[in-house]
Amino acid sequence: DGGITQSPKYLFRKEGQNVTLSCEQNLNHDAMYWYRQDPGQGLRLIYYSQIVNDFQKGDIAEGYSVSREKKESFPLTVTSAQKNPTAFYLCASRKTAGSGNTIYFGEGSWLTVV
Amino acid sequence: EDQVTQSPEALRLQEGESSSLNCSYTVSGLRGLFWYRQDPGKGPEFLFTLYSAGEEKEKERLKATLTKKESFLHITAPKPEDSATYLCAYETQGGSEKLVFGKGTKLTVNP
Repeated sequence: DGGITQSPKYLFRKEGQNVTLSCEQNLNHDAMYWYRQDPGQGLRLIYYSQIVNDFQKGDIAEGYSVSREKKESFPLTVTSAQKNPTAFYLCASRKTAGSGNTIYFGEGSWLTVV
Repeated sequence: EDQVTQSPEALRLQEGESSSLNCSYTVSGLRGLFWYRQDPGKGPEFLFTLYSAGEEKEKERLKATLTKKESFLHITAPKPEDSATYLCAYETQGGSEKLVFGKGTKLTVNP
């Protein structure tokens, strides 16, 4: 089945640690995105990538880093510089960037700082 | 600043009681207006994309409409399985890659 796979579903991080969330898609989509969702707030864009080896900061990129070495993969690293990382993280993709095409989401990853 | 406001924040309906959810936006040059359904602990599930005022789309008990300033998600004769949070988002023209999301409407349908 085609889709977007995020892993792990649940992740616990100690303060001062970096953690990496995985996102893989087999939809042959060019554009990929990372969003953060907090209770009572809308989804906020962290980073996006329109093509391989290129990515752009979104609204809340501080404390996060990404890479896009393969079309299928767009991992997100939550660094120790992110002051409030506990949240629900959503990876998304669409065929082409900036076109009004539908954005599809993965099932999400919960990150909790302990 | 571009904004999107969804109302009400929460809505409780009895099974079979039809209603509408509202998504209002303050932007010119709309490239697309998106509706998603999100169940607790899951990623948003795509429902509809609307591109121009006057456009309507339907799927089972749901119907989405679009005007120049707002979109409505009409729910006809809802069932308990329609309970979820419904999100709207828009994308603007002009090269920005950002979708602006509302905070959602949490719908509960009681049997």
